[in-house]
Amino acid sequence: GQSLEQPSEVTAVEGAIVQINCTYQTSGFYGLSWYQQHDGGAPTFLSYNALDGLEETGRFSSFLSRSDSYGYLLLQELQMKDSASYFCAVPSGGYNKLIFGAGTRLAVHP
Amino acid sequence: EAQVTQNPRYLITVTGKKLTVTCSQNMNHEYMSWYRQDPGLGLRQIYYSMNVEVTDKGDVPEGYKVSRKEKRNFPLILESPSPNQTSLYFCASSSHGGGRQPQHFGDGTRLSIL
Repeated sequence: GQSLEQPSEVTAVEGAIVQINCTYQTSGFYGLSWYQQHDGGAPTFLSYNALDGLEETGRFSSFLSRSDSYGYLLLQELQMKDSASYFCAVPSGGYNKLIFGAGTRLAVHP
Repeated sequence: EAQVTQNPRYLITVTGKKLTVTCSQNMNHEYMSWYRQDPGLGLRQIYYSMNVEVTDKGDVPEGYKVSRKEKRNFPLILESPSPNQTSLYFCASSSHGGGRQPQHFGDGTRLSIL
């Protein structure tokens, strides 16, 4: 089948670094996206990786290894406002059909 | 302001009473999609549309219908709602499909079917 796996919860302290992993199983691979969703809010796009390696955007970076069917989102210098759910997503079963992981809830503590 | 607008934001209704959730985007995006979000299950795609008059099923299409008669609008129709369709629904749009382009989400519609 086609699926995405990510940890359900991660806890960290302000100023720390946290890594949220995502492993995927799909028929055909085009790229891996990451979204952030605060409680009561809508998901917002963070990043997209189509090629292997690390993409950096400010405090957030995203990594992809296509050979391992694995990616991660790296959040540095954590702030309280980073407390949110993070979802990975891939096209699956066709280029235009998108599936999301169940989400990782990140709690940042003082 | 670029946005995706969903209406209503909240709705409580009864089993079997047809309802429509509207979705409109002002970014001239080709790709639009509907998701439902349930605790512990993340976002599950219901239907998507690559352009006007072009729609296809996502992972959980049963009990839903969509149409794309105009580029900006993509309504979600529940012909005979049932309690298992109680959920938080999001509409999203992007310039193209495939996940590369950011999807812009509406604020969500919370549906309760009694």
